[in-house]
Amino acid sequence: DAGITQSPRHKVTETGTPVTLRCHQTENHRYMYWYRQDPGHGLRLIHYSYGVKDTDKGEVSDGYSVSRSKTEDFLLTLESATSSQTSVYFCAISEGQGLDTQYFGPGTRLTVL
Amino acid sequence: GENVEQHPSTLSVQEGDSAVIKCTYSDSASNYFPWYKQELGKGPQLIIDIRSNVGEKKDQRIAVTLNKTAKHFSLHITETQPEDSAVYFCAADYSSASKIIFGSGTRLSIRP
Repeated sequence: DAGITQSPRHKVTETGTPVTLRCHQTENHRYMYWYRQDPGHGLRLIHYSYGVKDTDKGEVSDGYSVSRSKTEDFLLTLESATSSQTSVYFCAISEGQGLDTQYFGPGTRLTVL
Repeated sequence: GENVEQHPSTLSVQEGDSAVIKCTYSDSASNYFPWYKQELGKGPQLIIDIRSNVGEKKDQRIAVTLNKTAKHFSLHITETQPEDSAVYFCAADYSSASKIIFGSGTRLSIRP
């Protein structure tokens, strides 16, 4: 998985609780992404980062925030988890944007009860 | 708007036969079209990609064709094997938005 780890790999939480997912890379790539994967929807971009402290929204960013204080770490936070945020979350990295290949982590399965 | 449509959603082929998955995209400015394979419980992995300056690219049993005029591209897998069973995703870049849009996926099953 191209030097990408995600933690935790599985999490069950209750509605209304905060949740933070972590993505860690050892490739020193500039770009990092958070996607969610749901049946019938493929992979949808939540947020991405183009450098330390530089982030932008994706197509499904409502209810999520991100932070990147170091090149190697990209955090995804659900401030108050809802059942609609039950999903599998994938982190990806790339050297550049657009035409550069994205490499994916192993995923985090999140269940919000 | 930005959209990538992928068909079929499921595909079952006899081992040894060929499989074809098709995608269409909406942004005429797209220049990069990767294909990913996702096995159960794992993250998507790039298997082949094509850029807009070529019409076809081949890597052993896998090939991708691109028709920019019609805005569609296809993945071809020949001599299918059991290990080809997985979910396949196409994608297209939308450089104006600095992102890649994914299709909804095709679950490919290889029958013995």
